[in-house]
Amino acid sequence: QVQLVESGGGVVQPGTSLRLSCAASGFAQGFTFSNYGMYWVRQAPGKGLEWVAIIWNDGTRKYYTDSVRGRFTISRDDSKNTLYLQMNSLRGEDTALYYCATVGRNWEVDVWGQGTTVTVSS
Amino acid sequence: QSALTQPRSVSGSPGQSVTISCTGTSSDLGSYNYVSWYQQHPGKAPKLMIYAVTERPSGVPDRFSGSKSGNTASLTVSGLQAEDEADFYCSSYAGNNNPLVFGGGTKLTVL
Repeated sequence: QVQLVESGGGVVQPGTSLRLSCAASGFAQGFTFSNYGMYWVRQAPGKGLEWVAIIWNDGTRKYYTDSVRGRFTISRDDSKNTLYLQMNSLRGEDTALYYCATVGRNWEVDVWGQGTTVTVSS
Repeated sequence: QSALTQPRSVSGSPGQSVTISCTGTSSDLGSYNYVSWYQQHPGKAPKLMIYAVTERPSGVPDRFSGSKSGNTASLTVSGLQAEDEADFYCSSYAGNNNPLVFGGGTKLTVL
């Protein structure tokens, strides 16, 4: 079973930047990180789940939810089995627990990490 | 990118069955058989329970089942157990430019 470990969260001021990382391991035989599309999903304190970004397994396509488009960038380094989320111009409403996750064959959020917390506050 | 609509809460007694609805539109849930359900216990990451409307990942009890009719999907939990108490979220594929939309979540209480 794939394991995902997020890192890079913290407390930052509005307008600043932060880069989240997600290290993947535990692939089934014959599979590598490059076989998996990846999501970032966030959950604000006491709120529901919100899809943030997706990147195709080959990195050719990237899509973002409206509220982060132009500010956040999803990327991957298959040589390091790592997914990234570069977050610029952070706002208070970006405060959340950020999960990375694999994209299932039917677009489901398949395997989830434990999340990393981002707090944007002055 | 409107969220799917779920009831805020549902409840049932041990052994009973409960059903959680998830309503979308003809542009998302109604157009694709890519509905998923997730269970989230307090302080834990969500766990995939149902994908592709009716499919259960390995290890998920068959007490959990999914269905869909038109723009509404449903998750049924049969034979309720105390450990089923959790928040449940639905999601649906909604097209390439906006691949995923979630429901607002439903709190399941086992009385």
